[in-house]
Amino acid sequence: ETGVTQTPRHLVMGMTNKKSLKCEQHLGHNAMYWYKQSAKKPLELMFVYNFKEQTENNSVPSRFSPECPNSSHLFLHLHTLQPEDSALYLCASSPQGNEKLFFGSGTQLSVL
Amino acid sequence: GQQVMQIPQYQHVQEGEDFTTYCNSSTTLSNIQWYKQRPGGHPVFLIQLVKSGEVKKQKRLTFQFGEAKKNSSLHITATQTTDVGTYFCAGLVDNNDMRFGAGTRLTVKP
Repeated sequence: ETGVTQTPRHLVMGMTNKKSLKCEQHLGHNAMYWYKQSAKKPLELMFVYNFKEQTENNSVPSRFSPECPNSSHLFLHLHTLQPEDSALYLCASSPQGNEKLFFGSGTQLSVL
Repeated sequence: GQQVMQIPQYQHVQEGEDFTTYCNSSTTLSNIQWYKQRPGGHPVFLIQLVKSGEVKKQKRLTFQFGEAKKNSSLHITATQTTDVGTYFCAGLVDNNDMRFGAGTRLTVKP
Protein backbone atom coordinates (compact mmCIF):
# COMPACT_ATOMS: atom_id res chain seq x y z
CA GLU A 1 0.00 0.00 0.00
CA THR A 2 1.65 3.22 -1.18
CA GLY A 3 -0.88 5.68 0.20
CA VAL A 4 -2.07 6.50 -3.32
CA THR A 5 -5.45 4.98 -4.21
CA GLN A 6 -6.83 4.79 -7.72
CA THR A 7 -10.32 3.82 -8.83
CA PRO A 8 -11.51 2.01 -10.75
CA ARG A 9 -8.85 -0.69 -11.20
CA HIS A 10 -10.29 -1.69 -14.57
CA LEU A 11 -12.46 0.20 -17.02
CA VAL A 12 -13.93 -0.75 -20.37
CA MET A 13 -15.58 2.02 -22.34
CA GLY A 14 -16.90 2.73 -25.78
CA MET A 15 -15.61 5.59 -27.88
CA THR A 16 -18.69 7.70 -27.20
CA ASN A 17 -18.69 7.24 -23.43
CA LYS A 18 -17.70 9.73 -20.75
CA LYS A 19 -15.92 8.37 -17.70
CA SER A 20 -13.63 9.63 -14.94
CA LEU A 21 -10.62 8.16 -13.21
CA LYS A 22 -10.06 9.06 -9.58
CA CYS A 23 -6.90 9.30 -7.54
CA GLU A 24 -6.56 10.05 -3.85
CA GLN A 25 -3.39 10.36 -1.79
CA HIS A 26 -3.14 10.24 1.99
CA LEU A 27 0.52 11.24 2.22
CA GLY A 28 0.22 15.01 2.55
CA HIS A 29 2.03 15.50 -0.76
CA ASN A 30 1.79 18.70 -2.75
CA ALA A 31 2.37 17.38 -6.26
CA MET A 32 0.21 14.92 -8.19
CA TYR A 33 0.70 13.41 -11.63
CA TRP A 34 -1.05 11.43 -14.34
CA TYR A 35 1.07 9.00 -16.38
CA LYS A 36 0.13 6.76 -19.28
CA GLN A 37 1.81 3.37 -19.59
CA SER A 38 1.47 1.54 -22.90
CA ALA A 39 3.11 -1.72 -23.84
CA LYS A 40 6.75 -1.37 -24.92
CA LYS A 41 6.78 2.41 -24.45
CA PRO A 42 8.26 4.59 -21.72
CA LEU A 43 6.00 5.99 -19.07
CA GLU A 44 4.45 9.11 -20.58
CA LEU A 45 3.84 12.08 -18.32
CA MET A 46 0.44 13.60 -19.05
CA PHE A 47 -0.27 16.21 -16.39
CA VAL A 48 1.36 17.66 -13.29
CA TYR A 49 -0.28 19.59 -10.49
CA ASN A 50 1.72 21.44 -7.86
CA PHE A 51 -0.26 22.89 -4.97
CA LYS A 52 -3.43 22.34 -7.02
CA GLU A 53 -2.08 24.36 -9.95
CA GLN A 54 -1.47 22.63 -13.26
CA THR A 55 2.19 23.10 -14.07
CA GLU A 56 2.55 20.75 -17.01
CA ASN A 57 0.44 19.50 -19.86
CA ASN A 58 2.49 17.35 -22.20
CA SER A 59 0.54 18.02 -25.40
CA VAL A 60 -2.20 15.69 -24.27
CA PRO A 61 -5.31 15.57 -26.52
CA SER A 62 -8.28 17.50 -25.21
CA ARG A 63 -10.29 14.28 -24.86
CA PHE A 64 -8.32 13.91 -21.59
CA SER A 65 -9.26 16.56 -19.05
CA PRO A 66 -7.64 16.67 -15.60
CA GLU A 67 -9.14 18.15 -12.46
CA CYS A 68 -7.45 18.78 -9.13
CA PRO A 69 -9.98 20.12 -6.60
CA ASN A 70 -7.49 19.93 -3.71
CA SER A 71 -4.01 18.64 -3.06
CA SER A 72 -5.28 15.18 -2.08
CA HIS A 73 -7.52 14.42 -5.06
CA LEU A 74 -6.92 14.19 -8.77
CA PHE A 75 -9.31 13.23 -11.52
CA LEU A 76 -8.89 12.41 -15.18
CA HIS A 77 -12.06 12.95 -17.19
CA LEU A 78 -12.30 10.91 -20.37
CA HIS A 79 -14.49 11.78 -23.36
CA THR A 80 -14.70 10.27 -26.88
CA LEU A 81 -11.54 8.24 -26.51
CA GLN A 82 -9.89 6.24 -29.27
CA PRO A 83 -8.83 2.57 -29.16
CA GLU A 84 -5.17 3.67 -29.10
CA ASP A 85 -5.88 5.33 -25.74
CA SER A 86 -6.16 1.87 -24.18
CA ALA A 87 -3.38 1.68 -21.58
CA LEU A 88 -2.60 1.60 -17.89
CA TYR A 89 -3.16 5.05 -16.39
CA LEU A 90 -1.07 5.66 -13.32
CA CYS A 91 -1.49 8.38 -10.74
CA ALA A 92 1.49 9.43 -8.63
CA SER A 93 2.27 11.94 -5.93
CA SER A 94 5.43 13.44 -4.48
CA PRO A 95 6.15 15.77 -1.55
CA GLN A 96 7.18 18.53 -3.95
CA GLY A 97 7.58 18.53 -7.71
CA ASN A 98 10.16 16.15 -9.20
CA GLU A 99 10.92 14.29 -6.02
CA LYS A 100 10.50 10.57 -5.39
CA LEU A 101 7.21 9.41 -6.88
CA PHE A 102 4.64 7.28 -5.09
CA PHE A 103 2.46 5.48 -7.63
CA GLY A 104 -1.06 4.18 -7.31
CA SER A 105 -2.02 0.74 -8.62
CA GLY A 106 -3.32 2.20 -11.84
CA THR A 107 -6.48 1.95 -13.91
CA GLN A 108 -6.31 -0.51 -16.80
CA LEU A 109 -8.38 1.17 -19.50
CA SER A 110 -9.73 -0.55 -22.59
CA VAL A 111 -11.46 1.52 -25.27
CA LEU A 112 -13.62 -0.47 -27.64
CA GLY B 1 12.46 16.24 -27.01
CA GLN B 2 15.08 14.99 -24.61
CA GLN B 3 15.08 11.25 -24.14
CA VAL B 4 16.49 8.80 -21.68
CA MET B 5 17.52 5.61 -23.45
CA GLN B 6 17.56 2.37 -21.49
CA ILE B 7 19.07 -0.97 -22.51
CA PRO B 8 18.58 -3.83 -22.79
CA GLN B 9 14.84 -4.01 -23.34
CA TYR B 10 14.73 -7.58 -22.04
CA GLN B 11 17.08 -9.74 -20.03
CA HIS B 12 16.61 -13.38 -19.13
CA VAL B 13 19.02 -14.86 -16.61
CA GLN B 14 19.52 -18.05 -14.67
CA GLU B 15 19.02 -17.63 -10.96
CA GLY B 16 22.34 -16.74 -9.40
CA GLU B 17 23.64 -14.86 -12.44
CA ASP B 18 24.26 -11.13 -12.37
CA PHE B 19 22.15 -8.52 -14.20
CA THR B 20 22.82 -4.97 -15.33
CA THR B 21 20.62 -2.34 -16.95
CA TYR B 22 21.93 0.93 -18.36
CA CYS B 23 20.45 4.38 -18.92
CA ASN B 24 21.90 7.08 -21.14
CA SER B 25 20.88 10.67 -21.70
CA SER B 26 22.04 13.06 -24.39
CA THR B 27 21.98 15.89 -21.86
CA THR B 28 23.18 16.32 -18.29
CA LEU B 29 20.72 15.16 -15.66
CA SER B 30 20.06 16.90 -12.36
CA ASN B 31 19.40 13.55 -10.77
CA ILE B 32 18.34 10.04 -11.69
CA GLN B 33 15.84 7.79 -9.99
CA TRP B 34 15.30 4.05 -10.31
CA TYR B 35 12.00 2.22 -10.00
CA LYS B 36 10.94 -1.43 -10.04
CA GLN B 37 7.60 -2.64 -11.37
CA ARG B 38 6.60 -6.20 -10.60
CA PRO B 39 4.39 -8.00 -13.17
CA GLY B 40 0.85 -6.68 -12.79
CA GLY B 41 2.02 -4.05 -10.32
CA HIS B 42 2.95 -0.40 -10.30
CA PRO B 43 6.38 1.28 -10.25
CA VAL B 44 7.98 1.43 -6.81
CA PHE B 45 10.79 3.85 -6.02
CA LEU B 46 14.16 2.24 -5.33
CA ILE B 47 16.71 5.05 -5.10
CA GLN B 48 17.78 8.51 -6.21
CA LEU B 49 21.30 9.53 -7.25
CA VAL B 50 22.29 13.17 -7.35
CA LYS B 51 26.07 13.57 -7.29
CA SER B 52 28.49 13.01 -10.14
CA GLY B 53 30.09 9.56 -9.84
CA GLU B 54 27.80 8.58 -6.99
CA VAL B 55 27.52 4.89 -6.09
CA LYS B 56 24.86 3.52 -3.76
CA LYS B 57 24.15 -0.02 -2.64
CA GLN B 58 21.01 -1.74 -1.41
CA LYS B 59 21.86 -5.32 -0.46
CA ARG B 60 22.51 -7.03 -3.83
CA LEU B 61 21.67 -3.91 -5.88
CA THR B 62 24.36 -1.39 -6.87
CA PHE B 63 23.44 1.92 -8.47
CA GLN B 64 25.90 4.21 -10.24
CA PHE B 65 25.65 7.73 -11.63
CA GLY B 66 28.21 8.65 -14.27
CA GLU B 67 30.84 11.34 -13.83
CA ALA B 68 29.22 13.45 -16.52
CA LYS B 69 25.75 12.83 -15.03
CA LYS B 70 24.54 11.54 -18.38
CA ASN B 71 24.41 7.84 -17.63
CA SER B 72 23.50 5.46 -14.87
CA SER B 73 23.41 1.75 -14.21
CA LEU B 74 21.72 -0.72 -11.91
CA HIS B 75 23.55 -3.96 -11.20
CA ILE B 76 22.04 -6.92 -9.37
CA THR B 77 24.43 -9.51 -8.01
CA ALA B 78 23.32 -13.16 -7.86
CA THR B 79 19.75 -12.67 -9.03
CA GLN B 80 16.85 -14.33 -7.27
CA THR B 81 13.34 -15.09 -8.52
CA THR B 82 12.08 -12.20 -6.40
CA ASP B 83 14.06 -9.81 -8.61
CA VAL B 84 11.68 -10.45 -11.52
CA GLY B 85 10.09 -7.30 -12.90
CA THR B 86 10.75 -4.25 -15.02
CA TYR B 87 13.37 -1.75 -13.90
CA PHE B 88 12.95 1.86 -14.96
CA CYS B 89 15.30 4.79 -14.72
CA ALA B 90 13.94 8.33 -14.63
CA GLY B 91 16.23 11.27 -15.28
CA LEU B 92 15.49 14.83 -14.24
CA VAL B 93 16.28 17.23 -17.08
CA ASP B 94 16.54 20.99 -16.48
CA ASN B 95 15.16 20.58 -12.94
CA ASN B 96 11.57 20.37 -14.08
CA ASP B 97 11.21 17.56 -16.60
CA MET B 98 11.48 13.95 -15.44
CA ARG B 99 11.98 11.50 -18.31
CA PHE B 100 11.51 7.77 -17.90
CA GLY B 101 13.46 5.15 -19.78
CA ALA B 102 11.50 2.41 -21.56
CA GLY B 103 12.51 -0.07 -18.88
CA THR B 104 14.37 -3.37 -18.79
CA ARG B 105 12.24 -6.42 -18.21
CA LEU B 106 14.07 -9.02 -16.15
CA THR B 107 13.03 -12.65 -15.99
CA VAL B 108 14.83 -15.16 -13.79
CA LYS B 109 14.83 -18.89 -14.37
CA PRO B 110 14.99 -20.91 -11.14
